[in-house]
Amino acid sequence: GENVEQHPSTLSVQEGDSAVIKCTYSDSASNYFPWYKQELGKGPQLIIDIRSNVGEKKDQRIAVTLNKTAKHFSLHITETQPEDSAVYFCAASMNNQGGKLIFGQGTELSVKP
Amino acid sequence: NAGVTQTPKFRVLKTGQSMTLLCAQDMNHEYMYWYRQDPGMGLRLIHYSVGEGTTAKGEVPDGYNVSRLKKQNFLLGLESAAPSQTSVYFCASIPTAGLYPHEQYFGPGTRLTVT
Repeated sequence: GENVEQHPSTLSVQEGDSAVIKCTYSDSASNYFPWYKQELGKGPQLIIDIRSNVGEKKDQRIAVTLNKTAKHFSLHITETQPEDSAVYFCAASMNNQGGKLIFGQGTELSVKP
Repeated sequence: NAGVTQTPKFRVLKTGQSMTLLCAQDMNHEYMYWYRQDPGMGLRLIHYSVGEGTTAKGEVPDGYNVSRLKKQNFLLGLESAAPSQTSVYFCASIPTAGLYPHEQYFGPGTRLTVT
C-alpha cells in the first residue's frame, strides 16, 4: 500500500524567513496531495492541495510543488509569521479508494518573533 | 452549521473498560472516517464508512468497532480498552469521494487515556 514519509519532524525559523517541508510517496497511482495545518488542541484543517495534473500551486504565502517522476511534493511558506506555528501534515490519495488519505508523520513548525 | 463534532472531548478509562466515541456531522456528507493520532506517527485510519449502514477497515482496525446507523453519525467503539489505545481520536467527513479524492473536514478530537 501507499506510504508517505515527511521531513523534517521539527522546523524552527525566524519570523519573515521561509519554511519548506518535504514529503515522498511510494505509489505512483496517487494523484491527490493535500496539506493540513493542525493548531494546538484542534483538528487538522486543509490549507492547500494539488492534483497530479499540475506541478505547482500557490495561495498567497503558501505554495506546493509536485514532482511526479521523483514521487515527492513540498510545502513552501514564505514570509513566515508567528501564527504559522503549528503541526503540518502532508497526505496522499488516489482515485476509487473511498477518499482515504495516507498521512505523513507531521512537522512541528515554530516561527520565532 | 456546526460541521463535525465529537463527543466526548476527554476521557480516562481503566484497562478492560469499554466506551463509545460519537462523531456527528451536519453537512449531509456521505463518507466518514475515524483516525488516531500518536506522536511521530501522523494520523492513521482506523475505520471508515462510505454511506449509511456501511463500514470498512482502515490501516489499524484491531481493537475497534464502528457503526453507521444514521448518515450523520459515526460511532467508534472500544470493547476492552488497552493502554496502547491511549491516543487522540479524530473524525472526518467528505461529501462523497466519487472518482476523485476530496478535502476531509475534521472534528476537534477526543483525547483518550487508558490506564
